[in-house]
Amino acid sequence: KQEVTQIPAALSVPEGENLVLNCSFTDSAIYNLQWFRQDPGKGLTSLLLIQSSQREQTSGRLNASLDKSSGRSTLYIAASQPGDSATYLCAVYGETSGSRLTFGEGTQLTVNP
Amino acid sequence: GAVVSQHPSRVICKSGTSVKIECRSLDFQATTMFWYRQFPKQSLMLMATSNEGSKATYEQGVEKDKFLINHASLTLSTLTVTSAHPEDSSFYICSARVAGGPQYFGPGTRLTVL
Repeated sequence: KQEVTQIPAALSVPEGENLVLNCSFTDSAIYNLQWFRQDPGKGLTSLLLIQSSQREQTSGRLNASLDKSSGRSTLYIAASQPGDSATYLCAVYGETSGSRLTFGEGTQLTVNP
Repeated sequence: GAVVSQHPSRVICKSGTSVKIECRSLDFQATTMFWYRQFPKQSLMLMATSNEGSKATYEQGVEKDKFLINHASLTLSTLTVTSAHPEDSSFYICSARVAGGPQYFGPGTRLTVL
């Protein structure tokens, strides 16, 4: 059974700092990995999707990497802003989970002005 | 990117009533739609997966007679919470996916059962 773990569970940083969120998964037989953002009381916004054959994806100040063999992904946020404050969720889609996404518990990020 | 809408965004109902939540993919045809439930400060819990024109596949522990899912078209799925009770109060989120593509999530529906 696929398990996804995110570290840290919560993170508080001053504005302008670069930061890294970590995601690990137990079964490396994945098709892709997605990073999402969730604001309080809202749905999920897809940030980046990395296919299993890719090593990284970039969008603006966000960069996500994938090391499938070691079961790890990182989300790098450059020059953080207060508007980046949210919960960030990592999810994998793979052979052992059928058509389902398996989510981590999320990292709650607070960027202080 | 692709847009998924949910209606209503918030609903309050009395115990024993039924509530229907709609999920629509606005600018794409979704081969598969998913319904999730989320409790405060927890991650999403998948309730069921549905493909257009076929019966939904429910996750273990989810009562299919309690949570009725209809996937009538490639752009619409509905979740009906039947005979709702206070313990059904939660945040319900749907998502939609084209085969091989990413999942796009709706904005969620906050259900409160009094």
